Amino acid sequence: AQSVTQPDIHITVSEGASLELRCNYSYGATPYLFWYVQSPGQGLQLLLKYFSGDTLVQGIKGFEAEFKRSQSSFNLRKPSVHWSDAAEYFCAVGAPGNNRKLIWGLGTSLAVNP
Amino acid sequence: ETGVTQSPTHLIKTRGQQVTLRCSSQSGHNTVSWYQQALGQGPQFIFQYYREEENGRGNFPPRFSGLQFPNYSSELNVNALELDDSALYLCASSTGLAGGLTDTQYFGPGTRLTVL
Repeated sequence: AQSVTQPDIHITVSEGASLELRCNYSYGATPYLFWYVQSPGQGLQLLLKYFSGDTLVQGIKGFEAEFKRSQSSFNLRKPSVHWSDAAEYFCAVGAPGNNRKLIWGLGTSLAVNP
Repeated sequence: ETGVTQSPTHLIKTRGQQVTLRCSSQSGHNTVSWYQQALGQGPQFIFQYYREEENGRGNFPPRFSGLQFPNYSSELNVNALELDDSALYLCASSTGLAGGLTDTQYFGPGTRLTVL
C-alpha cells in the first residue's frame, strides 16, 4: 500500500534562509508526486508535481523539488524563504492507473522568523 | 484564482444529525473530489464525481454520500453524524477526460464541521 511520511512536523527558519522540507513515500513503482501548500483560511494550492522525466521539478513561488528514486524521496526546497511562505506544506502521492486517490502526508508547519 | 467556493464556512451539528455541505466548481470542471481533513492531519480522499457519477471512493462508510449537478455544483451529505466526523471538508475540482491525477486539482477553502 502507498504511504507518505513527512518526518518534520514543524520547522522554523529565518527569512532569507534556505529551506528543505522532507517527504518519503512507499510505493512499488514510480508514483505521481505532489507538493501542496495550505494557508489559514485558504484552500490547498499546488506548488509542483512530478509524473516522469527530469527529476528536478520547478514550481510556483520559487519552490523546486527533486525526485530521488533510490531514497524514495521527493524533498521540497527553496533557496531563500520569505515571511509569506509561512504555512502548512503537504506532500501527496498518487498511483498511476489508480487515478482518483491521493495519499497525503501529515504535513509540515513552516514558521518564518523576521 | 481557483474559483472554487464552499458553503457554509463553519457548521456545528450534534451527534446523529445529518449535514449537507456544498461546493461550487469552476465552470467547465467536470470532476469534483471531496476530502476530509481532521485537525493536524493531511486530507483523506472521500470520493470523486465525474459527470454526475461517482468515479472512485476512499475508505469511508456509505453514510457519506454525494451529488454532482450539471451546473458544476456538488454536495457532500453525511448521515448519522459521529464525533469523529468533526473536520475540515475540502472539495477540489479539475478538468480532464476522467479526472485523473495528471489534472491539476483546484481546492476550495473548506467547510469546518464540528460535531458535538
